[in-house]
Amino acid sequence: EAGVVQSPRYKIIEKKQPVAFWCNPISGHNTLYWYLQNLGQGPELLIRYENEEAVDDSQLPKDRFSAERLKGVDSTLKIQPAELGDSAVYLCASSHTPGLGGTGELFFGEGSRLTVL
Amino acid sequence: GQQLNQSPQSMFIQEGEDVSMNCTSSSIFNTWLWYKQDPGEGPVLLIALYKAGELTSNGRLTAQFGITRKDSFLNISASIPSDVGIYFCAGRSTYNQGGKLIFGQGTELSVKP
Repeated sequence: EAGVVQSPRYKIIEKKQPVAFWCNPISGHNTLYWYLQNLGQGPELLIRYENEEAVDDSQLPKDRFSAERLKGVDSTLKIQPAELGDSAVYLCASSHTPGLGGTGELFFGEGSRLTVL
Repeated sequence: GQQLNQSPQSMFIQEGEDVSMNCTSSSIFNTWLWYKQDPGEGPVLLIALYKAGELTSNGRLTAQFGITRKDSFLNISASIPSDVGIYFCAGRSTYNQGGKLIFGQGTELSVKP
């Protein structure tokens, strides 16, 4: 079974430029997560989707960040415009819905490392 | 909001030694997960715990769900060089924050051959 696939693995941009990250979750996982991981820290949730619905986006900085999961499978996370402080690793994860026949164990992709110059 | 305190922050040990790390929460969790992250990779799930007092092993790794439901422990026995990495605990409570999974700050493990 294929794992969570993310692209690009690495991205270097200048500040004020836009950037987008793509995630393909594990087949059959209806819950998709985007996490932000700063250097030396644990992942922090940005947004969680149940199918195509964003059920928790309270930590997503909506002035510059946006995300979508139009058909309930793949997802994209966009930053426009990027700032220096956005340099981090953006992790995508997927799971079966916790409590609905699923244990809610998250499986992560390899991450997209963003450097903003 | 909920916070997880993970300790120690880092450990430097000799190959063959046993390792212990733990996580404590300010509130009750009903799920604890332990992950390992290698440099440049995403976290990989090691052990999942769902009941207070539960003790679960995965090879040389053993994790326990504390009986107070506010803590969890991970032990690694007879460490080897490939155990090097950052270990994260993560906890979830369906009673708070809609079951959001919260991560600790990580324990960085270094193993000297």
